[in-house]
Amino acid sequence: GAVVSQHPSRVICKSGTSVKIECRSLDFQATTMFWYRQFPKQSLMLMATSNEGSKATYEQGVEKDKFLINHASLTLSTLTVTSAHPEDSSFYICSAMRGADNEQYFGPGTRLTVT
Amino acid sequence: SQKIEQNSEALNIQEGKTATLTCNYTNYSPAYLQWYRQDPGRGPVFLLLIRENEKEKRKERLKVTFDTTLKQSLFHITASQPADSATYLCALDGGGSYIPTFGRGTSLIVHP
Repeated sequence: GAVVSQHPSRVICKSGTSVKIECRSLDFQATTMFWYRQFPKQSLMLMATSNEGSKATYEQGVEKDKFLINHASLTLSTLTVTSAHPEDSSFYICSAMRGADNEQYFGPGTRLTVT
Repeated sequence: SQKIEQNSEALNIQEGKTATLTCNYTNYSPAYLQWYRQDPGRGPVFLLLIRENEKEKRKERLKVTFDTTLKQSLFHITASQPADSATYLCALDGGGSYIPTFGRGTSLIVHP
């Protein structure tokens, strides 16, 4: 099956710093990737849709200047959390869509802790 | 607004029994419904998709039903095993958008 990787898997940073998370599709090309955020025991919240070669589409309420998304190639999208604060601590997951059934292949997630 | 409901309480069952999880939705007419499995600290894994014109779909020990009249999908795991313990998410197509919308998920715990 399709494989999506994320790096890093865990990151701890100090308040005010920026953190970059990478999402890669390892065995297929993904023109579109998605970034989600998930709090404990909560559903996946779509943050933005990342489109290769164009600007990301952000969901309502998501600050595009705080969560910078770059989709530089057909296999790589990055999410940068700028000037991170403790309330940004969460589980961030990327996914790529593939196939006629629009099934999503998720990365393993990144646990961000801002101290 | 569109709403997806999954039982927030964990489902506890004994090994070997059939686990049945429910996904209800309102204000939707989805073209398809998907089920995913999510283990703690991991991203979800796609399991099955069922379309609106399909009543039932099976894959190994998994069975999914889709009742568009009741606006409900049931997800069954037969001969359950402790390794089936996880959170199961349902997702519906976004009502015209190709991006699925996810429910909160139900935790399944299979006791040996």
